Parts: sequence; C-alpha cells; structure tokens
Amino acid sequence: DGGITQSPKYLFRKEGQNVTLSCEQNLNHDAMYWYRQDPGQGLRLIYYSQIVNDFQKGDIAEGYSVSREKKESFPLTVTSAQKNPTAFYLCASTPGREGADTQYFGPGTRLTVL
Amino acid sequence: RKEVEQDPGPFNVPEGATVAFNCTYSNSASQSFFWYRQDCRKEPKLLMSVYSSGNEDGRFTAQLNRASQYISLLIRDSKLSDSATYLCVVNPPGKLIFGQGTELSVKP
Repeated sequence: DGGITQSPKYLFRKEGQNVTLSCEQNLNHDAMYWYRQDPGQGLRLIYYSQIVNDFQKGDIAEGYSVSREKKESFPLTVTSAQKNPTAFYLCASTPGREGADTQYFGPGTRLTVL
Repeated sequence: RKEVEQDPGPFNVPEGATVAFNCTYSNSASQSFFWYRQDCRKEPKLLMSVYSSGNEDGRFTAQLNRASQYISLLIRDSKLSDSATYLCVVNPPGKLIFGQGTELSVKP
C-alpha cells in the first residue's frame, strides 16, 4: 500500500533530550513537510523539503532540525533547544514541489516531554 | 489579524441538520483554497478543493467569495459520521496556511 508512515505513534522524552521522529513515504512524492499542531491551533510549518539534500525553514523552525538524504525519508529531530516540544507532529508530502498540491499526511506522532 | 480565521466552534447539531462554516483570509493574493477534515487524534485529510465558481460533492458545497475574502463549507443532511474538525487551508503566494479548525459534533 502506498502512503506515509510516521513512527513512533507516541513518544515520551525527558527534558534536555534530543529525539528523532521518523517519516517515510513510498508515494514517490517530491516534497515533504513537517507540521506541529497544538490544541485549538492550526498546523504550523516547521520545515519543508522540495528535493533531496535541500530543505527550508518554515515558520517555527527554532529548536528543530531535519535532513533529506533520500527522497522517501524526512526525519525531524526535536532538540533540547525547543522550549515547548509537547505537541502532535504531522508529516506530509505533495506530488509536486508546490505546497498548494493536495497534502497527504502521515498518522502523526504525539510527543510528550516529561 | 490572523492570516486565516475560522468560525469558533464547537458546532453541535442534530442529525439531518444543515450547517455552514466560514473562513476568512487576509491575503488577497491567495490563489488556492481547500477544506480538510480531521478526526479526533488523527491526521487531516483533504475533503475538497474550493473553486472560484463554487463546487459541490454530494452533501458538501464549498464557496469562494474573493471580494469579501472568505470561503465557506455547507454540509446538508448531517450524519453522525460528519463529526470532526474542519480545517480551512489557504494558499497565499509561497505559503500554505491552515486555520485553527471548526469542530462539528452531530448528535442523534
């Protein structure tokens, strides 16, 4: 089945730890995105990548890092510099490089900082 | 002013009701518009794109009013399964902005 997978579904982290969230797609999509969703708020863009080995900061990139070494993979690292990391993290992809294409989302990872 | 703002929810309606959501946007250069549906603790999924001429998909009708800078979603004959949060998404140049969502709860 084609789609986007994210793992783990739930993640608990102690303060001061870095943690990496996985995102994989087998849709052969060019662009991939990371969003953060907080209760009662819309999705906010963290980072996006339109091609392999290239990525751009979104609106709230501070405290996060990404890599795009393969077309199908776009992992997100939440570093200890992120002041309030507890949130629902969503990865998405689009067929082309335009964000206005239909966004296909993964099931998300819920990160909780203890 | 927020770039995209939706009707605050929740909307609680009985089965069979007609319900409408509005979404305003601030950037008049916005080119594409969408409605996404998000079930509780799940990922958003595209419900429908919104075209200038308006479009309909079964019980769902989307409208765009460029002059007043808003889009709307009308749901007729609400079903229990329509209960979800509906996200308005707007595409100003170079960006994609998600609204905060409007929660709909359809009751028997």
